[in-house]
Amino acid sequence: GQNIDQPTEMTATEGAIVQINCTYQTSGFNGLFWYQQHAGEAPTFLSYNVLDGLEEKGRFSSFLSRSKGYSYLLLKELQMKDSASYLCAVRGGSGNTPLVFGKGTRLSVIA
Amino acid sequence: GAGVSQSPSNKVTEKGKDVELRCDPISGHTALYWYRQSLGQGLEFLIYFQGNSAPDKSGLPSDRFSAERTGGSVSTLTIQRTQQEDSAVYLCASSFAPGQTYEQYFGPGTRLTVT
Repeated sequence: GQNIDQPTEMTATEGAIVQINCTYQTSGFNGLFWYQQHAGEAPTFLSYNVLDGLEEKGRFSSFLSRSKGYSYLLLKELQMKDSASYLCAVRGGSGNTPLVFGKGTRLSVIA
Repeated sequence: GAGVSQSPSNKVTEKGKDVELRCDPISGHTALYWYRQSLGQGLEFLIYFQGNSAPDKSGLPSDRFSAERTGGSVSTLTIQRTQQEDSAVYLCASSFAPGQTYEQYFGPGTRLTVT
């Protein structure tokens, strides 16, 4: 079966750092994606990990441990505009096979 | 260039009616996906096209749902005899990447409300 777990909601303070965790159990693995989705808008791509380790892109970093079925998204220097849902998704097969999404973590950034 | 577009952006329909939702993928993208997102739920995969063929229809919830893609471009998702539980945002995505990522680009979605 396919199962992706992430916290439902998180709150963090402007300027701080927040880590959003994702654990997955899938029948196959060929990459993990993080998407950002503002309310009422389409998801937009943030990051992709297929090998173990940390991928850094500006204020956002994503980490993967395949042996543990675990990833996290790290957001630094939080801004109010970072308030959004963050979706963890796994590709189980090769090429263009569909993604399996978690339910998303709604992040609220407060002053 | 233009992103993924979907129409209509909003659709309100009565229970029992048929609806058609349209997706225009990014030009040149060979793969096209339909997902739906209900309130408080994650994205639920419906169907996936590679070119005009659908290798994976496993997510279609019932035989009331069907989709087609023509010319390797536009896709239409049809829901027959709509039910209230069909109310959701229907998202389309497309992808083609020469590298490894095969990132999916999402359209703005169609919000379907069945009354």
